[in-house]
Amino acid sequence: DTGVSQNPRHKITKRGQNVTFRCDPISEHNRLYWYRQTLGQGPEFLTYFQNEAQLEKSRLLSDRFSAERPKGSFSTLEIQRTEQGDSAMYLCASSSRDSEYFFGEGSWLTVV
Amino acid sequence: DAKTTQPPSMDCAEGRAANLPCNHSTISGNEYVYWYRQIHSQGPQYIIHGLKNNETNEMASLIITEDRKSSTLILPHATLRDTAVYYCIVRVVSTGNQFYFGTGTSLTVIP
Repeated sequence: DTGVSQNPRHKITKRGQNVTFRCDPISEHNRLYWYRQTLGQGPEFLTYFQNEAQLEKSRLLSDRFSAERPKGSFSTLEIQRTEQGDSAMYLCASSSRDSEYFFGEGSWLTVV
Repeated sequence: DAKTTQPPSMDCAEGRAANLPCNHSTISGNEYVYWYRQIHSQGPQYIIHGLKNNETNEMASLIITEDRKSSTLILPHATLRDTAVYYCIVRVVSTGNQFYFGTGTSLTVIP
């Protein structure tokens, strides 16, 4: 499968714990995006990488959130000290220059 | 990027054409119109995009008005598997900027 891969697909965690999601983009894509989606809403932009450089961050990305793409390939999104309001689906997408986005299947987070 | 307006929901009979409208009256000359859909609990799926001319692919057709202020996505023969939320987005290409999703149109295909 050469699509965008996200792991884990589902995560249940206790409030206050840290969680990390991983995204493996399509191999030749240099752009990688993270989005968050809550029930009934469209995806909301969180952050964007071009190669290993994080070029844009939404104000939704509080200081408890950090994203990395150390070698310009896979990316991780870490949420520290999780809160119930962090419960959502976290989507990763990748693209090459000027192409459309290809989304992964998302990682569902439930904070209890 | 320009904002878009879509009806919140629509129904379509199976086998008939589904016509999903989108208004983007503030679109700029270098902004493309993109359509994505999202089937429940899955990631959004690219459908089609265009700048000025009408476009067609194996999934759908995109009709853009001459003034580019609105567009229509056409699913020629809707099936039950086309039941999804459809997002219309306008975006400047080549800048790396992100897609802004609204709440889309929830299309229900009725048997």
